[in-house]
Amino acid sequence: DTAVSQTPKYLVTQMGNDKSIKCEQNLGHDTMYWYKQDSKKFLKIMFSYNNKELIINETVPNRFSPKSPDKAHLNLHINSLELGDSAVYFCASSQDRANSYEQYFGPGTRLTVT
Amino acid sequence: AQTVTQSQPEMSVQEAETVTLSCTYDTSESDYYLFWYKQPPSRQMILVIRQEAYKQQNATENRFSVNFQKAAKSFSLKISDSQLGDAAMYFCAYRSARETSGSRLTFGEGTQLTVNP
Repeated sequence: DTAVSQTPKYLVTQMGNDKSIKCEQNLGHDTMYWYKQDSKKFLKIMFSYNNKELIINETVPNRFSPKSPDKAHLNLHINSLELGDSAVYFCASSQDRANSYEQYFGPGTRLTVT
Repeated sequence: AQTVTQSQPEMSVQEAETVTLSCTYDTSESDYYLFWYKQPPSRQMILVIRQEAYKQQNATENRFSVNFQKAAKSFSLKISDSQLGDAAMYFCAYRSARETSGSRLTFGEGTQLTVNP
């Protein structure tokens, strides 16, 4: 039983292309996140959604557009891919209530832009 | 803004020995949560242990325990009886308790732990 799943796990594409990463969680959580892990392994928040509403939108180029069709899904679409977009992208989810605030992560999507 | 610092980029330990990973953080808030996550070569992020700032008692999970010093803003992780499977990148993370939903995790730079047989 996969709690937080992402597809694809690996994505290799050329500069200028548009690509999407999908995320689904079956934990019944109401909040989902996208994090980016760069080549130095540093993790940073990009977006978060609560019940399909955008809560956090960090300083991310507007080529990145998250979409939450329902509270179990949060997809990330990236337009006009650049070399610097190469990274591992993690989806996570949480149920933010008293005594229940851990974030559970998906397996990550390694994006390589050539 | 909160910051999290892990001053040890790499650490190593002999199997069955004990190792402590350091983490300090900077915040003006009084209520927050702290976490240690483990990232093995599979790159899956695994929650190891959590600590609520309002609790004075240090959290413990089997061989993993923390030393939480709120005044010093320090949150170290102790791994006892180290096993080969403990080899991984370990991240310290901070979460504000002020926001009730969608609160971000702020991560440290990570400490790469090697376990020698």
